[in-house]
Amino acid sequence: DAGVTQSPTHLIKTRGQQVTLRCSPKSGHDTVSWYQQALGQGPQFIFQYYEEEERQRGNFPDRFSGHQFPNYSSELNVNALLLGDSALYLCASSQGGGSYEQYFGPGTRLTVT
Amino acid sequence: ILNVEQSPQSLHVQEGDSTNFTCSFPSSNFYALHWYRWETAKSPEALFVMTLNGDEKKKGRISATLNTKEGYSYLYIKGSQPEDSATYLCAPLSGYSTLTFGKGTMLLVSP
Repeated sequence: DAGVTQSPTHLIKTRGQQVTLRCSPKSGHDTVSWYQQALGQGPQFIFQYYEEEERQRGNFPDRFSGHQFPNYSSELNVNALLLGDSALYLCASSQGGGSYEQYFGPGTRLTVT
Repeated sequence: ILNVEQSPQSLHVQEGDSTNFTCSFPSSNFYALHWYRWETAKSPEALFVMTLNGDEKKKGRISATLNTKEGYSYLYIKGSQPEDSATYLCAPLSGYSTLTFGKGTMLLVSP
């Protein structure tokens, strides 16, 4: 079992550009959540996808959007990048609604210059 | 929005010392409390999922307790080892399995 995988590992973009991050959940998991960890902060919840729909959203602007595919993998898209979007983006997978167990990937480090 | 506080922010102990961290959170609007251990350049690793008031869980030298009525959880490490060096995060679980993380406690164990 490969666990939760994320790609790419690192990414450098310039302000105003758009970026897409990818996540493959742990085998058997159907729910994907995305978190942003800025420097010196704990991870902050961005949104969660279940059955290919955004089920819950944190306090992030519409520039942050996502998608879940039929195979349960997910993408996080950020448009019009700002310097403040520089962070580690974590993906977590779980099974079903209200599952207690969440498994995290290693994250994607995004740097916006 | 849950406000989760963790203390201390960082801790430096010697090998063999025992240590403990605190996680405090609003005593309502959640249905489980997670502890994660996060080593640099690795994925956060789940340590415990706690749901009941008075719950106590143990994994080797690490244990945790939960007080839901007063809104706090303690994580204990007995006889710290250098391999315990990591950031320890707590997160109440609410909504549709949404985790609200604290900033974490960074532990450094020197040989």
